[in-house]
Amino acid sequence: GQSLEQPSEVTAVEGAIVQINCTYQTSGFYGLSWYQQHDGGAPTFLSYNALDGLEETGRFSSFLSRSDSYGYLLLQELQMKDSASYFCAVVLMNRDDKIIFGKGTRLHILP
Amino acid sequence: KAGVTQTPRYLIKTRGQQVTLSCSPISGHRSVSWYQQTPGQGLQFLFEYFSETQRNKGNFPGRFSGRQFSNSRSEMNVSTLELGDSALYLCASSLKGTGDTEAFFGQGTRLTVV
Repeated sequence: GQSLEQPSEVTAVEGAIVQINCTYQTSGFYGLSWYQQHDGGAPTFLSYNALDGLEETGRFSSFLSRSDSYGYLLLQELQMKDSASYFCAVVLMNRDDKIIFGKGTRLHILP
Repeated sequence: KAGVTQTPRYLIKTRGQQVTLSCSPISGHRSVSWYQQTPGQGLQFLFEYFSETQRNKGNFPGRFSGRQFSNSRSEMNVSTLELGDSALYLCASSLKGTGDTEAFFGQGTRLTVV
């Protein structure tokens, strides 16, 4: 079946860089999205990769390699407010269950 | 510009009852998608409505249904509630639908079934 795999938790230090990986077993999707969700909050859109390569948006970058079935979210200059869960998601082509999400990665930031 | 509004924020229901949740999308957005979020299963797609028509549907039983009105507001209904339906129900609006690159989520409705 279609699935996205992410680490359940990642810990990093304030000011450092952290990479959250997303590997997938799916075919025929439009692109890979990333969302951030703070405890008790709504998911908010971070980035989208339609094509292979790196997309940069401020401190956040996202990467996609379709040949490796792999993507990642890179967070630089970590701040305490970045403590949250991060989800990758793909929008599928030609399927009724149009969008699937990874289970999310809980990012813990240490001072 | 107002964001996505979901009501109610919290709800407690008894097994066997039914429930209706509401979602008002961002003005101008014609697509509303619904998701169920649980600790065990994560975020799962329920269905998407676009211009009052259901366009896509996830793998949920027929007890889960929805509709969209001409003003793009959407409702989701769950009948014959089960304990396992306890979850955070999120809706998201976008201009074009689940193929859109960016969706805006509401704060969700926390449903507890007892």
